[in-house]
Amino acid sequence: DAKTTQPPSMDCAEGRAANLPCNHSTISGNEYVYWYRQIHSQGPQYIIHGLKNNETNEMASLIITEDRKSSTLILPHATLRDTAVYYCIVRPQPSGSARQLTFGSGTQLTVLP
Amino acid sequence: DTAVSQTPKYLVTQMGNDKSIKCEQNLGHDTMYWYKQDSKKFLKIMFSYNNKELIINETVPNRFSPKSPDKAHLNLHINSLELGDSAVYFCASSQSRPYEQYFGPGTRLTVT
Repeated sequence: DAKTTQPPSMDCAEGRAANLPCNHSTISGNEYVYWYRQIHSQGPQYIIHGLKNNETNEMASLIITEDRKSSTLILPHATLRDTAVYYCIVRPQPSGSARQLTFGSGTQLTVLP
Repeated sequence: DTAVSQTPKYLVTQMGNDKSIKCEQNLGHDTMYWYKQDSKKFLKIMFSYNNKELIINETVPNRFSPKSPDKAHLNLHINSLELGDSAVYFCASSQSRPYEQYFGPGTRLTVT
């Protein structure tokens, strides 16, 4: 599996866009980029995923560079409730029984009032 | 409605005891998982299970065993509890997109 590198922590002002980077320079062609977050004392929450095109849903946008070696998760209008640890995970589409998620150390995003 | 629920939320027990944590999902998913989050906050997969196969992370001691009475439940049994088993245990489930997993609220296990 491709390894990911994320900054350990970031701050963002409430109401502003939060841009969380992830480096995955060893990603291979069949691997997707997934983002999860974990709010304190809660279970992780799926946010978004993508392969090569940019993706957007009601929670966030995912921008993947053309060479796919890095990506950015964008929370367009961060709120205090977005304070959480954000995990970038790279995984191939499952074949057979390979369904596990492997979480790294993530980025602690703190949204400041 | 709670999608993935776990009971109990907190569990305090002594070394050597046997305990179980229950997990239920009402999403109709076919695959369920157990993860362990240690004191350093690293989340590690322990098991994944559907009605066809059980995948066990090779680092999980055989004192841990998942048991699934039906498709909506995956319980975690732990025998001879040790201090190092203290952690938060998360259950999760998924369906056709296995990396879109829905997690439960976690069970904080403290072994004294």
